[in-house]
Amino acid sequence: DAGVTQSPTHLIKTRGQQVTLRCSPKSGHDTVSWYQQALGQGPQFIFQYYEEEERQRGNFPDRFSGHQFPNYSSELNVNALLLGDSALYLCASSLRAGLNGGYTFGSGTRLTVV
Amino acid sequence: GQQVMQIPQYQHVQEGEDFTTYCNSSTTLSNIQWYKQRPGGHPVFLIQLVKSGEVKKQKRLTFQFGEAKKNSSLHITATQTTDVGTYFCAGGYGQNFVFGPGTRLSVLP
Repeated sequence: DAGVTQSPTHLIKTRGQQVTLRCSPKSGHDTVSWYQQALGQGPQFIFQYYEEEERQRGNFPDRFSGHQFPNYSSELNVNALLLGDSALYLCASSLRAGLNGGYTFGSGTRLTVV
Repeated sequence: GQQVMQIPQYQHVQEGEDFTTYCNSSTTLSNIQWYKQRPGGHPVFLIQLVKSGEVKKQKRLTFQFGEAKKNSSLHITATQTTDVGTYFCAGGYGQNFVFGPGTRLSVLP
């Protein structure tokens, strides 16, 4: 239904490794935001991409980086993984900053760091 | 900094009872959005409120934005088992949205 697609759905990594998560936004959306959701918590804003540039960033270290491609899809990269990085990573797309219709979330990538 | 609080953290109700969750911001909001996340699922956008004192209804759900644009509420009338999930508010600060911790609703049949 041309909603937000995230891959992979699940991932297990070892401490110190690097990971790349991918997101294809909903058709017609041009902005991608990434969130980290720990179990039982609300989504925490990582950063937002628009026009292939990082427009806003939450309180996350530089180990978290991203990219947006010309087709609006996006990647989230996390380097030097820590056990505390284990969480559900959600991608949300919107038209501009989501001011006119909210965010459409993908099903997320469940990352487990061991 | 920008912070959004929600109460209660958990709410258990009998099917047919009403439910209300409250959202509060430390500073004035430009707008507010509400999302529902079913267990094991992802947040789904419900509604956005923009104007001071605005009230919007979606069937059994009533959303309200405070006059000072610092608080909001979601009220569900006559809950059903399909209402189970976590309800998040997301406070809008310009183009940045900050999610609250959510209220987890359990509905006992």
